[in-house]
Amino acid sequence: AQSVTQPDIHITVSEGASLELRCNYSYGATPYLFWYVQSPGQGLQLLLKYFSGDTLVQGIKGFEAEFKRSQSSFNLRKPSVHWSDAAEYFCAVGADFGNEKLTFGTGTRLTIIP
Amino acid sequence: DVKVTQSSRYLVKRTGEKVFLECVQDMDHENMFWYRQDPGLGLRLIYFSYDVKMKEKGDIPEGYSVSREKKERFSLILESASTNQTSMYLCASSSTIILDRAGGYTFGSGTRLTVV
Repeated sequence: AQSVTQPDIHITVSEGASLELRCNYSYGATPYLFWYVQSPGQGLQLLLKYFSGDTLVQGIKGFEAEFKRSQSSFNLRKPSVHWSDAAEYFCAVGADFGNEKLTFGTGTRLTIIP
Repeated sequence: DVKVTQSSRYLVKRTGEKVFLECVQDMDHENMFWYRQDPGLGLRLIYFSYDVKMKEKGDIPEGYSVSREKKERFSLILESASTNQTSMYLCASSSTIILDRAGGYTFGSGTRLTVV
């Protein structure tokens, strides 16, 4: 069965600083990998996804993530955060063909300080 | 531009009541899902459906049931609400078509249910 670990429960960064949120997955074959963002009181919005090809993927709102098979990681990065990036971020993994279920991590809450 | 609609944003119900949470999607997606979200636990899958009248248990189905009579609608039912079912409930849908599959889920805005 697939699983996802987000080791950081809460991260605080200054506005304008760089950001990296960690995600490690466990799955035997090639996974589909996703990052979602949830603003307070809202549903989840897709930031970016990886399923094949270039291991560095670009998403919305200036985010990017890099798939590293050797480390089973899919870390999310942004070079300069904005106050509006304060939210909760979820990494998710999906199996290869035929299984539509996504398994989500427990989330990382991001706080931005002025 | 709303694509997955959950009928209620906030609900307060009494212990023992039968509760219906409704979800409708307008993207003609085959797959629909119900998750509950709790602090520190992330999203946990309750039930999902790959087609009309089909349903499968997720990781935490106890105390819940579902209904999918039409492709666009997926209902979550709490047979007898209990206080430990107080949570945020999220509905999502996705496509089975291979080229669209890697688009992941589209989520509704969630229903925050409080059972008193």
